[in-house]
Amino acid sequence: GQQVMQIPQYQHVQEGEDFTTYCNSSTTLSNIQWYKQRPGGHPVFLIQLVKSGEVKKQKRLTFQFGEAKKNSSLHITATQTTDVGTYFCAGPESNYQLIWGAGTKLIIKP
Amino acid sequence: DVKVTQSSRYLVKRTGEKVFLECVQDMDHENMFWYRQDPGLGLRLIYFSYDVKMKEKGDIPEGYSVSREKKERFSLILESASTNQTSMYLCASSSTGVRSPLHFGNGTRLTVT
Repeated sequence: GQQVMQIPQYQHVQEGEDFTTYCNSSTTLSNIQWYKQRPGGHPVFLIQLVKSGEVKKQKRLTFQFGEAKKNSSLHITATQTTDVGTYFCAGPESNYQLIWGAGTKLIIKP
Repeated sequence: DVKVTQSSRYLVKRTGEKVFLECVQDMDHENMFWYRQDPGLGLRLIYFSYDVKMKEKGDIPEGYSVSREKKERFSLILESASTNQTSMYLCASSSTGVRSPLHFGNGTRLTVT
């Protein structure tokens, strides 16, 4: 069946370092969504990418959607403590069902 | 802002009890979803509803049922709770299926003893 693989599972960074998480789908996606879940919180929508090769920026966050619409990445420049949490990608499996990546947990080293 | 409200933040129930988890959204969204989230397993869809009184099974419907009598309310029912249903339950809503963002509630952490 359709799968969305997300790596890495964890990333430990020093505050100020960059962070990247990658999603790869076994099939072409019509769109990809990114969510952030703070510790103890619920997933919060960040962005949706629709077009092949699309790049979108939100302040220090850069989202990319691959040319083949099978992979995507989220890059955070100069991480801050407020970036801590788990980042999930999700792509449509049907009109109503999303298939979720397992998430990448961003941990800031003390 | 969309608000999705889940009735309980924490719930402790005994094995065999019937459990109701309630979810209400205030944005007139057509679609509502119930997920469970477990460490290492990510988010898994239990049931969803695309209209009042309509329901569809997700990936893990066994042991659960749902009810959507009004557009704003979507209930998850555990007919006979078991310990393997101990989990975080997340309700979500969206306006146009997977083409629009999901808005999640704060979650209900259910413990079945």
